[in-house]
Amino acid sequence: NAGVTQTPKFRILKIGQSMTLQCTQDMNHNYMYWYRQDPGMGLKLIYYSVGAGITDKGEVPNGYNVSRSTTEDFPLRLELAAPSQTSVYFCASSSGGHSSGANVLTFGAGSRLTVL
Amino acid sequence: DAKTTQPNSMESNEEEPVHLPCNHSTISGTDYIHWYRQLPSQGPEYVIHGLTSNVNNRMASLAIAEDRKSSTLILHRATLRDAAVYYCILAPGNTGKLIFGQGTTLQVKP
Repeated sequence: NAGVTQTPKFRILKIGQSMTLQCTQDMNHNYMYWYRQDPGMGLKLIYYSVGAGITDKGEVPNGYNVSRSTTEDFPLRLELAAPSQTSVYFCASSSGGHSSGANVLTFGAGSRLTVL
Repeated sequence: DAKTTQPNSMESNEEEPVHLPCNHSTISGTDYIHWYRQLPSQGPEYVIHGLTSNVNNRMASLAIAEDRKSSTLILHRATLRDAAVYYCILAPGNTGKLIFGQGTTLQVKP
C-alpha cells in the first residue's frame, strides 16, 4: 500500500503565484487533514474533511482553500502565495466514523514550500 | 479544543527507560489521548493511544491517570533511534479533529 502520497515534495513559488498541493490516499479513509509546520514549531491544522463533499476549517485556514470531491483526494490550494506560507505541509488521513477519536492518523512525507 | 502541556525537552541515556509526561486538565469524557512522534525531517508517526485504561504496544506504554487529567508515555529502553519530538494530543470522540501542541524534544545520549 502506498498510504498517503503528497506531491510535489519541494516547490519554490514567487509572491502572488498560486499552486495546489496534492494529497491522495489509498486506504479508503473517510477523514483527511492538512497541517503546516513552520521551522522549529509544531503542526498547525489548516483544514480537515470528514468525507467527500464535507470540509471544515482548522486553526490556520486563512490563505488556503480545499475541496473533497472524492474519498481518495484532498488537494490544498494556495491562491496568492505569501512569504508567511513558507512551511512544510503534511497531509494525513484516518478511517473516521463512530468513536472517531480512536482513529489513528497516517501522515504523508510532506511537501516543502518556499515563497520568495 | 482541549489543550495539552508538555515539557519542551527531555534527555535520556541509551538503554534506560524514559517517562514523557503530558498534562491535559481540560480533557472531556470522550477525548482520546494520542501520542505521535516525529523523527527529524519526517512526517509524524503514530505511537499509541488510549481512553481510560493503560495501554501497551510494541513501541511504548501509555499510563493514564485515574482522573485522566494527565498521562505518561513510557519508552522502556530508549535507543538512539527514539530521538524525536513527541506529541501528546487529545482527539475528540465525535470529530476526529487532532490539534497538535509544541511537543517534547527527546534527546538520547549514548
